[in-house]
Amino acid sequence: QKEVEQNSGPLSVPEGAIASLNCTYSDRGSQSFFWYRQYSGKSPELIMSIYSNGDKEDGRFTAQLNKASQYVSLLIRDSQPSDSATYLCAGASGNTPLVFGKGTRLSVIA
Amino acid sequence: SAVISQKPSRDICQRGTSLTIQCQVDSQVTMMFWYRQQPGQSLTLIATANQGSEATYESGFVIDKFPISRPNLTFSTLTVSNLSPEDSSIYLCSVGTGLEYGYTFGSGTRLTVV
Repeated sequence: QKEVEQNSGPLSVPEGAIASLNCTYSDRGSQSFFWYRQYSGKSPELIMSIYSNGDKEDGRFTAQLNKASQYVSLLIRDSQPSDSATYLCAGASGNTPLVFGKGTRLSVIA
Repeated sequence: SAVISQKPSRDICQRGTSLTIQCQVDSQVTMMFWYRQQPGQSLTLIATANQGSEATYESGFVIDKFPISRPNLTFSTLTVSNLSPEDSSIYLCSVGTGLEYGYTFGSGTRLTVV
């Protein structure tokens, strides 16, 4: 059974702080990982993808992957109220469908 | 990355009826995926739709309840049959467009069964 685990939150951070979102996965065959942001009533929007060990940075977002520990994280620097949303971690291997975690609700407080 | 047009965006249906959801992709893709998102929950895979073959259903989802068509490489439909209030959810289609661009989602169909 392929599983992706996330803390459901809510995670509350003050505006301007770093938000740290974490995810673990059970399938060692998973090759690529994705972080999606989902606003209430909207479909998921891709924030970051990562498939190599280490860090990947894009603007205020940094994704980290540690395959040995089966751990994925997303850091959001200088958090803004507009970052308040549910963040979904997902994994896949090859062209297989995404397996999603339950999502972490982030609240950035002004 | 691919662009998906999904419709309807929402519908309210009577129990016992069916709803068919359509997804049109702006490029040819081998596999399309259908997900369900129940209120307050994450996304659960219903099935994988391959062109030219039967869809592959996940545990707990059956073809009689969720028939899928995939007539070509840019289009798919999901029908939710014999509706009950428990089917009230958001239904999303998705395609994979490579490691860098990830998986793209349609805008979703919000179904309410009364």
